[in-house]
Amino acid sequence: DAGVTQSPTHLIKTRGQQVTLRCSPKSGHDTVSWYQQALGQGPQFIFQYYEEEERQRGNFPDRFSGHQFPNYSSELNVNALLLGDSALYLCASSSVSGASRTDTQYFGPGTRLTVL
Amino acid sequence: AQSVTQPDIHITVSEGASLELRCNYSYGATPYLFWYVQSPGQGLQLLLKYFSGDTLVQGIKGFEAEFKRSQSSFNLRKPSVHWSDAAEYFCAVGVHGSSNTGKLIFGQGTTLQVKP
Repeated sequence: DAGVTQSPTHLIKTRGQQVTLRCSPKSGHDTVSWYQQALGQGPQFIFQYYEEEERQRGNFPDRFSGHQFPNYSSELNVNALLLGDSALYLCASSSVSGASRTDTQYFGPGTRLTVL
Repeated sequence: AQSVTQPDIHITVSEGASLELRCNYSYGATPYLFWYVQSPGQGLQLLLKYFSGDTLVQGIKGFEAEFKRSQSSFNLRKPSVHWSDAAEYFCAVGVHGSSNTGKLIFGQGTTLQVKP
């Protein structure tokens, strides 16, 4: 049973560029949440997708956007990158429907984004 | 507003000694509570969770945690620490919604160092 997967593992961008990060949820899960973890900090909630719609959003600017596909996988897009966007981006999956319902979020290994 | 406080930023214990990591939360309703562990450069692994019922919950790797509503605490314990337990530990409260998984609010984390 594959867990949550994320790609790429590492990414280096320059200020002003745009980046797309990808996440595939755990088998049987239908909800994807994204978190940003700055160095030495706890993860902070960016947003959550279910049924291809953004359901909740944390305190992040509109430069951060996302998408969920019919197969439940998700993308996180960040435009006009700033130095402060350098962080580990974590994807977590869970399920709100049917027998797989769980309020527990399972995390992927993360994507390390460095903005120069 | 919901929040999680981990008062100890860094803890050092000797291998074989007991461990207690503190976690205090602020949440208006009955909380969902979690402990996750993160090894350097890795994602988050779920250690244990509390949703309801027995206030003492058992997790993986010999960890347990006790929910104390009167103290708004959810402290993590292990009777005998192993060198492989050295990692970053995060306490989180789940802000759950009626129709979605909800978001996690994390504490700042506690770094555990284990002395041989």
